[in-house]
Amino acid sequence: QQPVQSPQAVILREGEDAVINCSSSKALYSVHWYRQKHGEAPVFLMILLKGGEQKGHEKISASFNEKKQQSSLYLTASQLSYSGTYFCGTERGGRGETSGSRLTFGEGTQLTVNP
Amino acid sequence: DAGVTQSPTHLIKTRGQHVTLRCSPISGHKSVSWYQQVLGQGPQFIFQYYEKEERGRGNFPDRFSARQFPNYSSELNVNALLLGDSALYLCASSLFTQRETQYFGPGTRLLVL
Repeated sequence: QQPVQSPQAVILREGEDAVINCSSSKALYSVHWYRQKHGEAPVFLMILLKGGEQKGHEKISASFNEKKQQSSLYLTASQLSYSGTYFCGTERGGRGETSGSRLTFGEGTQLTVNP
Repeated sequence: DAGVTQSPTHLIKTRGQHVTLRCSPISGHKSVSWYQQVLGQGPQFIFQYYEKEERGRGNFPDRFSARQFPNYSSELNVNALLLGDSALYLCASSLFTQRETQYFGPGTRLLVL
């Protein structure tokens, strides 16, 4: 039930664009994107909710195809600070906002941005 | 506003020992989740607590237990430590349990020798 991320790794030059994909075999309630730098905790980037609502940073864009259970994170005009490992976390639920939930994370996409 | 805090930051234990990890959520957040992250992998869900009640449990042995206090802080306990328990333990807090952003703390890095 772990979502599958692709690519596993990508190397960019500063200013280039990248797309990171996340797909699940199960119906999803929400998709959460995080970036983690070596030795640090994951930092929240974006949450995409079933029904179209999105919450996140202004400079980050993402999509959520509910029919295909797929999400993509779009990184444009990459900067050196974008380097890190990107994780998608998927949530299955729908029983109410205080019912139990869990994020199931993919194995990550390692992004390296070079000068 | 203060973010999620965790203590200790690092811990070294030997096999068979017991460990307690602590987490304080963001002020106003009532849900705390615990994750284990082994090097090179994504975080793996252990527990979720909301209003002091367990709302979710991942596929971890009974050696792992947790609780949440009236001030919404939480403890994760691991008994009879194994070498394979070496990992980064992350605490995440959110307002509710579903459809909400989970904010991670800095983690506790546990090394079992």
